[in-house]
Amino acid sequence: GNSVTQMEGPVTLSEEAFLTINCTYTATGYPSLFWYVQYPGEGLQLLLKATKADDKGSNKGFEATYRKETTSFHLEKGSVQVSDSAVYFCALSGVGTSGSRLTFGEGTQLTVNP
Amino acid sequence: GAVVSQHPSWVICKSGTSVKIECRSLDFQATTMFWYRQFPKQSLMLMATSNEGSKATYEQGVEKDKFLINHASLTLSTLTVTSAHPEDSSFYICSARDASLSGGSPLRGQYFGPGTRLTVT
Repeated sequence: GNSVTQMEGPVTLSEEAFLTINCTYTATGYPSLFWYVQYPGEGLQLLLKATKADDKGSNKGFEATYRKETTSFHLEKGSVQVSDSAVYFCALSGVGTSGSRLTFGEGTQLTVNP
Repeated sequence: GAVVSQHPSWVICKSGTSVKIECRSLDFQATTMFWYRQFPKQSLMLMATSNEGSKATYEQGVEKDKFLINHASLTLSTLTVTSAHPEDSSFYICSARDASLSGGSPLRGQYFGPGTRLTVT
């Protein structure tokens, strides 16, 4: 079955540091890949997505590239801010009739200190 | 943006009692809602898919008689944990799919609630 493995947290960085959160997946076919973010007290929000190999999703300075050869979708940001402190979830959606079902990673807590 | 609310945000109940959790789409109609549970430091696990006006579809291993789902309107789905036990303690999260944005990818317009923390003593 499908699975997603994320880098274990928590991750603590200073403001303006470079961020990488690793995500690898196992799936049949060509799933779509997502990063969701959950700010304290709020619901998950879609941060970015990529639907095919070599696609790069980007939003709010975050980027992730769909790498089929390494089955990875690592999240990166060149310069984090305190407001980026949140929990980040990597997820994939299956193909075909399971296309609407999301499989999530464990989540990675990010804390950015001023 | 679209907002999904959950009520209550946290609840403590005694073993053997039943607890109802509500999921509401506040500014859009949702023909489909999803219920997830999350254990500490673990990923979100899909429990069931709730379709307005029809029976929910449960994932393998989820007891449908224990986790009752009712999606009676386009803006409300409820999850009732019946005869709760301490092992049911978890974080329950719903998501709702905006019916007006469901064209194309089935993942378009899916919005998540803030979650409900259930503790069974």
